[in-house]
Amino acid sequence: DQQVKQNSPSLSVQEGRISILNCDYTNSMFDYFLWYKKYPAEGPTFLISISSIKDKNEDGRFTVFLNKSAKHLSLHIVPSQPGDSAVYFCAAREQGGSEKLVFGKGTKLTVNP
Amino acid sequence: NAGVTQTPKFQVLKTGQSMTLQCAQDMNHEYMSWYRQDPGMGLRLIHYSVGAGITDQGEVPNGYNVSRSTTEDFPLRLLSAAPSQTSVYFCASSLLTTRGNEQFFGPGTRLTVL
Repeated sequence: DQQVKQNSPSLSVQEGRISILNCDYTNSMFDYFLWYKKYPAEGPTFLISISSIKDKNEDGRFTVFLNKSAKHLSLHIVPSQPGDSAVYFCAAREQGGSEKLVFGKGTKLTVNP
Repeated sequence: NAGVTQTPKFQVLKTGQSMTLQCAQDMNHEYMSWYRQDPGMGLRLIHYSVGAGITDQGEVPNGYNVSRSTTEDFPLRLLSAAPSQTSVYFCASSLLTTRGNEQFFGPGTRLTVL
């Protein structure tokens, strides 16, 4: 059973507009959520995270929103740039000590010039 | 710092062969892990370690062994390669902080089993 779901395999936006990537989860024991960005032929790189006790975290053009009651989080990129074109993975950590991360399947973002 | 390094970058094996994928980090991270990435499947955890001498299984451990004799190194062994193990393998490491286990990934090893 998939605990972290990214239901949109792909997303295409125009340069300068907002990109919104969504992620849903089922496990109430997740205490941290992270977003990773991955370019082809490279390893994923950490982008931004949010604790389950917060509902928003911002870092430059990137903002993550968490709605615990809906078990939903989203990553907003404003403004979108062609260099943001990549696969974005949502990940969650289960509290309790194992530190394991559970990843979604990813969303491929394409930002068109 | 070199960060997380992985060797080799590419490898082709025949069914039944064994090999070791190397992973090293120079950041003194306690936590290390191995993932595989398959098309449409995201990243799946194979094995992980919270420190030297301590390892545990992830979501898809069958067919793989690990050991952690030093803080720096975390090799992944394929005992008898199968075509189902064709994948891209990523090693990652992190400090066990309160920031949700932000992991640093290596560049990956692309493995093909014929």
